[in-house]
Amino acid sequence: DARVTQTPRHKVTEMGQEVTMRCQPILGHNTVFWYRQTMMQGLELLAYFRNRAPLDDSGMPKDRFSAEMPDATLATLKIQPSEPRDSAVYFCASGSKDRYEQYFGPGTRLTVT
Amino acid sequence: LAKTTQPISMDSYEGQEVNITCSHNNIATNDYITWYQQFPSQGPRFIIQGYKTKVTNEVASLFIPADRKSSTLSLPRVSLSDTAVYYCLAPRGRALTFGSGTRLQVQP
Repeated sequence: DARVTQTPRHKVTEMGQEVTMRCQPILGHNTVFWYRQTMMQGLELLAYFRNRAPLDDSGMPKDRFSAEMPDATLATLKIQPSEPRDSAVYFCASGSKDRYEQYFGPGTRLTVT
Repeated sequence: LAKTTQPISMDSYEGQEVNITCSHNNIATNDYITWYQQFPSQGPRFIIQGYKTKVTNEVASLFIPADRKSSTLSLPRVSLSDTAVYYCLAPRGRALTFGSGTRLQVQP
């Protein structure tokens, strides 16, 4: 049963530290999405890639967030420096057919103190 | 920016049919409407997608009127395990905006 994997599942860090979250999309999927979920804002799209190229990162705070796909099996989301307001669950999703049918990973719960 | 509107919550009983409607009055002409289900501490799970009229799969049906400004997810004969949050996704161009979600509570 193919699944999206995310590491770490939980991360607690102090304000100002760098945080890197990793995602392994389902093998063969060519589209990768990063979302952030909070109680207040719900599910927000941060960025998405197709064939490893960024298609849209307009939802991402550019001054501290960066997203990359070093290769087809790895996507990374980096926050530097982290702030308490970045505390949220970060989801990675992948898809193969179009933007609509997305398969989500279990998420990384980030707490910045 | 694409905006979707859903009821915040709904209650139902086991065995009943549940219909959840999402308003998306500025969906792009070529985009599909998709619905997801999310359980606590899990990522959303794809349920169904459609462009117009009616689509049915083993889990749900999706009704989309001709003007495509809304869509209705229909869950037949719900069970306790259908208790979850349901999101519609109705893109406009590059904007992929999930609705705020409808929390469905199914009672015995």
